Amino acid sequence: AQSVTQPDIHITVSEGASLELRCNYSYGATPYLFWYVQSPGQGLQLLLKYFSGDTLVQGIKGFEAEFKRSQSSFNLRKPSVHWSDAAEYFCAVQGGSEKLVFGKGTKLTVNP
Amino acid sequence: DAGVTQSPTHLIKTRGQQVTLRCSPKSGHDTVSWYQQALGQGPQFIFQYYEEEERQRGNFPDRFSGHQFPNYSSELNVNALLLGDSALYLCASSLAAGSGLYEQYFGPGTRLTVT
Repeated sequence: AQSVTQPDIHITVSEGASLELRCNYSYGATPYLFWYVQSPGQGLQLLLKYFSGDTLVQGIKGFEAEFKRSQSSFNLRKPSVHWSDAAEYFCAVQGGSEKLVFGKGTKLTVNP
Repeated sequence: DAGVTQSPTHLIKTRGQQVTLRCSPKSGHDTVSWYQQALGQGPQFIFQYYEEEERQRGNFPDRFSGHQFPNYSSELNVNALLLGDSALYLCASSLAAGSGLYEQYFGPGTRLTVT
């Protein structure tokens, strides 16, 4: 069965600092991988996705993620965080069944 | 291009009651999935509808049922509400398998509170 682990429940960074959010997945084959962002009380917005090919994928809002098969990881990065990036971030895996399996999320706080 | 819409935004119900939540998919999408997001948790898959049939289901009791209409919109019904059903219910739409496009786009959700 698919599963996703986001080891960090809460991360605090200063505005302008770099960011890396960790995601590890479990799936027997090459999965489809996603990062979503959720602002308080809102739905989920797709940041980026990995299906195949280039392991470094670019997304919206200046985010990127790197798929590392050997480490079963799909970490999200941003070189310089803005105050508006404060939100909760969810990593998700989609295997052959098409349903999304989400991690528990990482809450990002941005200090001015 | 309208995105995924859900109604109502908020809902308060009493234990034992029944509730119906509604979802209209993104224009051009034909598949609707429903997720439950409890406070502080990631979304959990409830079920998915395609061609007006439930195609797959997560680990939820039969109290949770759904429907998809010919225009691809969908309803989620929950019977005999329990306190533990309080959550944000998210609808996501996508194109069917085989289309080569597997992204799911989410609506803003319906916040259900059971008292």
